[in-house]
Amino acid sequence: EIVLTQSPATLSLSPGERATLSCRASQSVSSYLAWYQQKPGQAPRLIIYDASNRATGIPARFSGSGSGTDFTLTISSLEPEDFALYYCQQRSNWPLTFGGGTKVEIK
Amino acid sequence: EVQLVESGGGLVQPGGSLRLSCAASGFTFITYAMSWVRQAPGKGLEWVSAISGSGSSTNYADSVRGRFTISRDNSKNTLYLQLNSLRAEDTAIYYCAKDRGGSNYDFDYWGQGTLVTVSS
Repeated sequence: EIVLTQSPATLSLSPGERATLSCRASQSVSSYLAWYQQKPGQAPRLIIYDASNRATGIPARFSGSGSGTDFTLTISSLEPEDFALYYCQQRSNWPLTFGGGTKVEIK
Repeated sequence: EVQLVESGGGLVQPGGSLRLSCAASGFTFITYAMSWVRQAPGKGLEWVSAISGSGSSTNYADSVRGRFTISRDNSKNTLYLQLNSLRAEDTAIYYCAKDRGGSNYDFDYWGQGTLVTVSS
C-alpha cells in the first residue's frame, strides 16, 4: 500500500498569504495525484488532478506541482473561503489511498 | 447537473449488516467508475471500494475485503455497498464518489454522505 504523508498537519496563515502544502508518497505515483478541499460538514471537492491540472471551476490561485514521490499544492493568496482541510490522493496503485490531511487555519 | 444521493445508513449492532445506496443523476452512469469513500468522526478520508462502469471489475480496501460488497444497477443509475459483519471501526460517514473521467479513480463529484454507526 502506498502511504501518503502530508505536512504540515496544520498551517496557520492570514488572508492574502501564500500557502504551501506538501504530500509525499512512500513510492512513486508518477503524476497520478489529486488534491481535495473539505470544509466542515461538507463533502470533499476536487481541486487538482494528475498533480498539476485544476479541476473545473477551481480558481487560478490554486496550483499543483510535483511528480514521483513529492508533490505540492500552492494557494498563491489565501481567500477567506480557502481555510479548510486539504487531502491528497493517489490513483497509481490499488488500494487507492489518501493522505492524512493538512488543515489551513486563520492565524 | 450531477447529483449523488446516498441513503441506507443508520445504527446497527456489531456483527450486523446494512446496504447503502447511491442514486446518481445528471450524467451517463454506465460510463463512469464509482467508488465509496468513508470518513470516521473527526478523522481523514479512507477509500473503501471501487467498481468499473460495467460492473465487471471491483476493488476493495484490505480493511473491508470479504465483508463489504460493491455493486451497481446501471438500469437504475444506482450504486450499492453491502456491509456485513460490521465492526465499531466501520462507524463513519460513507460517501459515494463519481470518477472524474471514466476510469481514472479520482473523484470529481461526491454525495453528501450517509452515516453508519456501529454500536451496541
